[in-house]
Order: sequence, then structure tokens, then C-alpha cells
Amino acid sequence: DTAVSQTPKYLVTQMGNDKSIKCEQNLGHDTMYWYKQDSKKFLKIMFSYNNKELIINETVPNRFSPKSPDKAHLNLHINSLELGDSAVYFCASSTGGANGYTFGSGTRLTVV
Amino acid sequence: AQRVTQPEKLLSVFKGAPVELKCNYSYSGSPELFWYVQYSRQRLQLLLRHISRESIKGFTADLNKGETSFHLKKPFAQEEDSAMYYCAPKNYGGSQGNLIFGKGTKLSVKP
Repeated sequence: DTAVSQTPKYLVTQMGNDKSIKCEQNLGHDTMYWYKQDSKKFLKIMFSYNNKELIINETVPNRFSPKSPDKAHLNLHINSLELGDSAVYFCASSTGGANGYTFGSGTRLTVV
Repeated sequence: AQRVTQPEKLLSVFKGAPVELKCNYSYSGSPELFWYVQYSRQRLQLLLRHISRESIKGFTADLNKGETSFHLKKPFAQEEDSAMYYCAPKNYGGSQGNLIFGKGTKLSVKP
């Protein structure tokens, strides 16, 4: 069983569309994250949720809205997609403390 | 807020040569530091945690509080080590803190 799973793996869509990326973890972790990896391979945190509560919301356009229906799921909805949103989006989870994160395999979003 | 610097964007070595990937952080207290590796088009994987002082795939990393460094080392590089390596200190903000990733160093091991 995959510990942190993201769907879809690839997403190609047109500018202006609305899309969602789903993430699920079966590790029993309390905290989940969304990271964006751009074309230069820079990784930047977008959001963090702990037990369904938003903890971190970095400077991200409000077109991006995370939703956590329960602590095992953290979905990312993006409205009015723009060319600059093209990136790989990684979901991750952790137990917090001195433990590291477990990452999903990423969703490669291409906006055309 | 925690900052992290990986000065080398690309590091190219020959197979069997020693390799050191540099990482400097800014937090002056007792940081929690990690190294992550990302093989081509794959997910990030945890490589090392400084608190465990373990050696994974021949890699080690020593925390030097005086120099605020956490360099990753391997005495004999292998071709399969070619990947992106990210140093990640934990940033303490909010109730849990989060990992801040360096810009990454691409390691290329040539035959």
C-alpha cells in the first residue's frame, strides 16, 4: 500500500480552468502539507494542516484553496489556472516533532 | 525564520570519488535537520535525520553548530547516487513547524 498517494499523477489543462488534486495518507499522521516544485526544482511550502486545521498558509494566491475533510486527506483546488501554475505539486505528511516527512509521488500540472 | 543555503547548484564527480554536498542553516538554537533525495522524476525520500546519526546508502552528515553546517558526505560516489539532494531544516512557526528546503544540489556521478 502506498503511504501517501496523490491523484492524478499528470494533469494537462487550459488556462482559466478549475482543477483539483487529491492526496491521501494511510500512515495515521496528524499533519499534511502541500509543496510546489517549480521548473528550477525549488521546493516551497504552500499549506500545512494539522488534524483538519489550517496551520500554515504561505503567500499563495487565493485561487489555491486547500480542503481537509479528515486528517487522512488534504486536497488542493485551484481556480482560474494560469500558465505560471505549471509545476509539480507534492503532498506530504508527518507526525510532527523531529520526524521527517513522507512525500507523495507528485502531480505534474501543465497549464497550456 | 529558518534559512538554508546550498551553495552548489550542480556537483559533478567521477565514480569512486568522495563527495560532499554543502548545507548551511541560520537557526542558532538546536535545529532539526534532514537531507532528502529525489531521483529522476520520483518522489522525495528521506535520506538522513541528524538526530539519528545513521549512515544511509553510505552517506553521513554531521551537524556542526559552530559553523551552522550540515554537510552531506560519501567517501566513494556511485552512479546510482546521481540525484537532487535537498537539505531541510525545520522552521518553527505555527504549532508544528515545517521543513524549509534548500534550493537543492544536483549530484551527477560520471562513470
